[in-house]
Amino acid sequence: SQQGEEDPQALSIQEGENATMNCSYKTSINNLQWYRQNSGRGLVHLILIRSNEREKHSGRLRVTLDTSKKSSSLLITASRAADTASYFCATDANSGYSTLTFGKGTMLLVSP
Amino acid sequence: ETGVTQTPRHLVMGMTNKKSLKCEQHLGHNAMYWYKQSAKKPLELMFVYSLEERVENNSVPSRFSPECPNSSHLFLHLHTLQPEDSALYLCASSQKSGLIAGAGNEQFFGPGTRLTVL
Repeated sequence: SQQGEEDPQALSIQEGENATMNCSYKTSINNLQWYRQNSGRGLVHLILIRSNEREKHSGRLRVTLDTSKKSSSLLITASRAADTASYFCATDANSGYSTLTFGKGTMLLVSP
Repeated sequence: ETGVTQTPRHLVMGMTNKKSLKCEQHLGHNAMYWYKQSAKKPLELMFVYSLEERVENNSVPSRFSPECPNSSHLFLHLHTLQPEDSALYLCASSQKSGLIAGAGNEQFFGPGTRLTVL
């Protein structure tokens, strides 16, 4: 069954603006990961946040995790046209090999 | 491009054909995965191989047959597919972590094989 569910499904902003995407999930997790996919290509890992962490930064990315609400958010600051892509959250319930359950994704369009 | 390669990148096949998708990872990982990505559906995990042993098979039809001859290579053998099997098939790899709470490693994806079944 679907675990991660992103919101909104699509987001259109101007360059320089911030983009916020949310993810909700249903069951307990070991960690939550965000991935990016350019059209028709493979996914690229962006950031991983563990279940005992609340916030994590990587460059222009900021991820928060609220395990009590079973939700996470991805913030991209000062967006660029090159950030245009689909963004997926994925939950990992295993502590050995990684088994990810993906949501349907948020399609982000950044206009110059 | 990541350290995971997939061939072919595009494949068109008839329902009676037999073909194979190949995945190779150059990252020294010990777990490999096959995913199916269809339009407007979440990415679906098909198979997981950990240390060359199949550890998950998510109710995938038998017309899909995986093979993992070593830790660097993963195949997906296809036979008598249906048009609804048309999708992007993605391979990924990761490093199996220890049993540490909260630990988990990211997966590295290949570029995918765009499969069309006529």
